[in-house]
Amino acid sequence: QVQLVESGGGVVQPGRSLRLSCAASGFTFRNFAIHWVRQAPGKGLEWVAVISDDGRNKYYVDSVKGRFTISRDNSKNMVYLQMNSLRPDDTAVYYCARDSAGGVAAYFEFWGLGTLVPVSS
Amino acid sequence: EVVLTQSPNFQSVTPKGRVTISCRASQSIGTSLHWYQQKPEQSPKVLIKYASQSVSGVPSRFSGSGSGTDFTLTIDSLEAEDAATYYCHQSSSLPFTFGPGTKVDVK
Repeated sequence: QVQLVESGGGVVQPGRSLRLSCAASGFTFRNFAIHWVRQAPGKGLEWVAVISDDGRNKYYVDSVKGRFTISRDNSKNMVYLQMNSLRPDDTAVYYCARDSAGGVAAYFEFWGLGTLVPVSS
Repeated sequence: EVVLTQSPNFQSVTPKGRVTISCRASQSIGTSLHWYQQKPEQSPKVLIKYASQSVSGVPSRFSGSGSGTDFTLTIDSLEAEDAATYYCHQSSSLPFTFGPGTKVDVK
């Protein structure tokens, strides 16, 4: 069965960096795009970034452009989200989600359980 | 950016009742509109893809309709387990966006 397991969350001070990881299993990883979606406490869902199946195409929401970087390692079935210059409004549960296809414009077919990133001094 | 608005924000319905949730897009998105259910303390789960296509494993009481800018999620014969927040999401253009959510309570 498809599994996505996020890790790397935890309390971080404003201005610092954190790297989230998403370990995937149960499917042919190199065939699917992967997204990061976040949810601030008590709030709705916000799409953050996506990386295509081959890693060549990456897109971000404006609020994280220049600060966050998405990457993947198809040999390890892993996706990463490097988050720099963190701000209090980045506080959220971060989910990785598998696209339904290899490109970057479909729907979020499977989701992980999420990892919480509180940004606070 | 495509802005999605949902109505109502909250709906309380008795078991076996019908729920209708509207999602309106700020510009035409064809049928690139998907619906998700999120129960408390859980990850979202896709219910309907491409406006009206069913998703394997999702009960048939969930259905979707619409195209262009106006979309509807309908839950027929509501069950207690359907208490959740429902979100629409568009994949027509970047950045991908979600509606603000509709919380459904089962009386």
